Amino acid sequence: QQQVKQSPQSLIVQKGGISIINCAYENTAFDYFPWYQQFPGKGPALLIAIRPDVSEKKEGRFTISFNKSAKQFSLHIMDSQPGDSATYFCAAGYSGGYQKVTFGTGTKLQVIP
Amino acid sequence: GAVVSQHPSWVICKSGTSVKIECRSLDFQATTMFWYRQFPKQSLMLMATSNEGSKATYEQGVEKDKFLINHASLTLSTLTVTSAHPEDSSFYICSAQHSPSGYTFGSGTRLTVV
Repeated sequence: QQQVKQSPQSLIVQKGGISIINCAYENTAFDYFPWYQQFPGKGPALLIAIRPDVSEKKEGRFTISFNKSAKQFSLHIMDSQPGDSATYFCAAGYSGGYQKVTFGTGTKLQVIP
Repeated sequence: GAVVSQHPSWVICKSGTSVKIECRSLDFQATTMFWYRQFPKQSLMLMATSNEGSKATYEQGVEKDKFLINHASLTLSTLTVTSAHPEDSSFYICSAQHSPSGYTFGSGTRLTVV
């Protein structure tokens, strides 16, 4: 019930293309869905997050799409750049109280020139 | 704002010795901090939840006596890997919670046990 499934495991996209990473969760009590970006040898950094009361959130080139009925959410990176090459983790948790988040398995993105 | 400092960034120790990793919230108070372990090319595995002034809550399968967590102040949590062995070699990451859904991660500590 606490699992968050993430796909694909790895992704290669050409510069300027769209990178799409998908996640699915099981626990309907989750109400906070962040995405983290991690560079090698560094800790994850929050990229963008969404709550289930909206179906889409956009920040710059990054967009989260959320489908509550399907219990799925995805990250779209528009105009992908080589600097976006990193590992991306989706996560799910609770917006109220101080509780842990559950991470997806990660997607290694490589943007080639 | 919401800066977390983790130290050291890397450490090499001999088998059988203990290593302490510090996680500090620099500009906020963190009543709750989390410790994760990450194996190469894998996701973050939550080891324990560290609560200021009380005992840590460990995830199933994590040895409490091996991974000692202390959260003595609102800005500092420490993870001590006791009697380290090569299989404890990993990337350890802390995160501190600055709001109900706001987490900031440290930069991680690469532990190598030889």
